[in-house]
Amino acid sequence: GAVVSQHPSWVICKSGTSVKIECRSLDFQATTMFWYRQFPKQSLMLMATSNEGSKATYEQGVEKDKFLINHASLTLSTLTVTSAHPEDSSFYICSANDRQGRGTEAFFGQGTRLTVV
Amino acid sequence: AQSVTQLDSHVSVSEGTPVLLRCNYSSSYSPSLFWYVQHPNKGLQLLLKYTSAATLVKGINGFEAEFKKSETSFHLTKPSAHMSDAAEYFCARSDNTNAGKSTFGDGTTLTVKP
Repeated sequence: GAVVSQHPSWVICKSGTSVKIECRSLDFQATTMFWYRQFPKQSLMLMATSNEGSKATYEQGVEKDKFLINHASLTLSTLTVTSAHPEDSSFYICSANDRQGRGTEAFFGQGTRLTVV
Repeated sequence: AQSVTQLDSHVSVSEGTPVLLRCNYSSSYSPSLFWYVQHPNKGLQLLLKYTSAATLVKGINGFEAEFKKSETSFHLTKPSAHMSDAAEYFCARSDNTNAGKSTFGDGTTLTVKP
């Protein structure tokens, strides 16, 4: 099946610094990728939709200047958490459609555990 | 807004007994429905999916789910629980026009007692 890889799988950073998380589709092209956030013991909440070659679409309540998304190619989307604070500590998961993207499931990355100290 | 409701936040079963995890969805048109399992600090693993084909869907690890349109339900079952089934389970839906944009239920924690 299709594989989506996230890197890093975990990261610890100091408050005020920025962290970049990569999401790659390894064996298919993804025109659209999605970024989710999961707090402990909670469900996944969609943060934004990343579109190749255009601006991301953010869900209501998500700060686009804080969570910068870039989808520069058909196989890579990045999420940068800028000026991270402890409340940004969370599990971030990406998913991707294949290029057809209809009637199929999303393929999820393994997630990135971000801890801001 | 389209939604998914998992009716139980926690389910506890004994090893070897049946598992039932319940999921209802809001209905405006036929969605694609999924069940995922998540072990601690891990990503999501797809157990099974319904995409308007057979209403009884068989997945991995002995799990299956039945799509019931009249009840707007997609409950997950397994005849005999194994200790390794202990995990968090998420029911999710997506529109057929954009499979990757999923709405998740709140999750059900499955505990399996020896």
